Amino acid sequence: DAGVIQSPRHEVTEMGQEVTLRCKPISGHDYLFWYRQTMMRGLELLIYFNNNVPIDDSGMPEDRFSAKMPNASFSTLKIQPSEPRDSAVYFCASRPSGQGRSYNEQFFGPGTRLTVL
Amino acid sequence: RKEVEQDPGPFNVPEGATVAFNCTYSNSASQSFFWYRQDCRKEPKLLMSVYSSGNEDGRFTAQLNRASQYISLLIRDSKLSDSATYLCVVRGGRRALTFGSGTRLQVQP
Repeated sequence: DAGVIQSPRHEVTEMGQEVTLRCKPISGHDYLFWYRQTMMRGLELLIYFNNNVPIDDSGMPEDRFSAKMPNASFSTLKIQPSEPRDSAVYFCASRPSGQGRSYNEQFFGPGTRLTVL
Repeated sequence: RKEVEQDPGPFNVPEGATVAFNCTYSNSASQSFFWYRQDCRKEPKLLMSVYSSGNEDGRFTAQLNRASQYISLLIRDSKLSDSATYLCVVRGGRRALTFGSGTRLQVQP
C-alpha cells in the first residue's frame, strides 16, 4: 500500500517567490495534517482537515500561508511570498477517523525540504 | 512554557545498556500519549502508545504518571539500530497531536 505521498521532496526558491507543497493522504484516511519542523522550534502543527474541512488552523504562522483540500485525495500548502525564515521540512500526515487506540496513529509522508534563499 | 518538554540529549550509551527518557506535559486535560521515533532526515513514525497502566513492547516500556504529568520510555538492551530521536507526543481536546522537541539517542558499539 502506498503511504502518504508528498511532492516535491526538495524545493529551493528565492525570497518572494510562491511555493506550493502537495500531499496525497492514504486512501480512506479522513484526517490530514500539515506540520513544519525546524531545529529551533521542533515539529509544529500548522493546520489539519477532517473530511476536507479545515478544523484548526491556529498554527498557521501568518497570512502568507494558506492550505486547501479540494478533495479527499489531495491537499496543498502554499506560501506566498516566501521568506528565508520559512526554510524548514514540511510534513503531511494522515489518519483514519474513529474511536479507539487503533485510530491514534498518524502516518507521515517523507516531507518536503524547503530552502528559501 | 512549552506544552511538551523533553531533554534534548544527546544520550550516548553503549550497546546493551538500558536508557530512560522522560517527558513532561503541561495540559492536565491531555487524553492520549505516544512515543514516536524519527531517524535522521526521515519522517516520524509511531513507536508505541502509552497507556495509563503502563505497557511494554519487546525491549521498550512506556509509563504514564498523570498526577505528575510525565511520561517515560525505557529501552533495554540497546541496539545500534535504536539510534534516533524519540519524540514525546500528547493529544488533548480538539487539538491534534503536540510533539516535544525530541531526545536524541546515540548507541555506540
